[in-house]
Amino acid sequence: EPEVTQTPSHQVTQMGQEVILRCVPISNHLYFYWYRQILGQKVEFLVSFYNNEISEKSEIFDDQFSVERPDGSNFTLKIRSTKLEDSAMYFCASSDEVRGTEAFFGQGTRLTVV
Amino acid sequence: GENVEQHPSTLSVQEGDSAVIKCTYSDSASNYFPWYKQELGKRPQLIIDIRSNVGEKKDQRIAVTLNKTAKHFSLHITETQPEDSAVYFCAATPGGYSTLTFGKGTMLLVSP
Repeated sequence: EPEVTQTPSHQVTQMGQEVILRCVPISNHLYFYWYRQILGQKVEFLVSFYNNEISEKSEIFDDQFSVERPDGSNFTLKIRSTKLEDSAMYFCASSDEVRGTEAFFGQGTRLTVV
Repeated sequence: GENVEQHPSTLSVQEGDSAVIKCTYSDSASNYFPWYKQELGKRPQLIIDIRSNVGEKKDQRIAVTLNKTAKHFSLHITETQPEDSAVYFCAATPGGYSTLTFGKGTMLLVSP
């Protein structure tokens, strides 16, 4: 069964450093998402991406964040200058249809900012 | 934007009992309502979903009901087993794109 894969599984970084989280969506999917989950809290939407541009973003997704699809398979989330409160599990997801098809989640990247 | 409320936050049942988790949503344009199960440290996994043109859907021990008028939907698990223990999240799409708005989650504990 195809899966969304994310690397690394765990990233520790110092406050103020830049991090790039990587995702390989399912190959025939066209819609890509980043979500985050602070420990013990609900999953929160960050950004959606379609046709090489951002479709929608939440208020969490400020100027410190950016997304990119650098090639035909990878989808990345960059945090320019990490803050302590950016520590969370970041999930990538993909889907093949707008309006309500199953979003497949990756296994997540745990980001710890120290 | 969409707002999803989920209750209860924790639910403890004995093995074999039924469990019911309830969610309400605010945006009448929402049309897709998935339920995810998340085991500790793992990815959310879809267990069942329902679309706004259907009132009820069942898959073995799991069922979901939707009341569009009242804007609420519920997850029902019958004959619970210890391996059902996890955090369950409901979600709704606000429309336009498949962006999911999640509830805060319910920790289900099934005791043998």
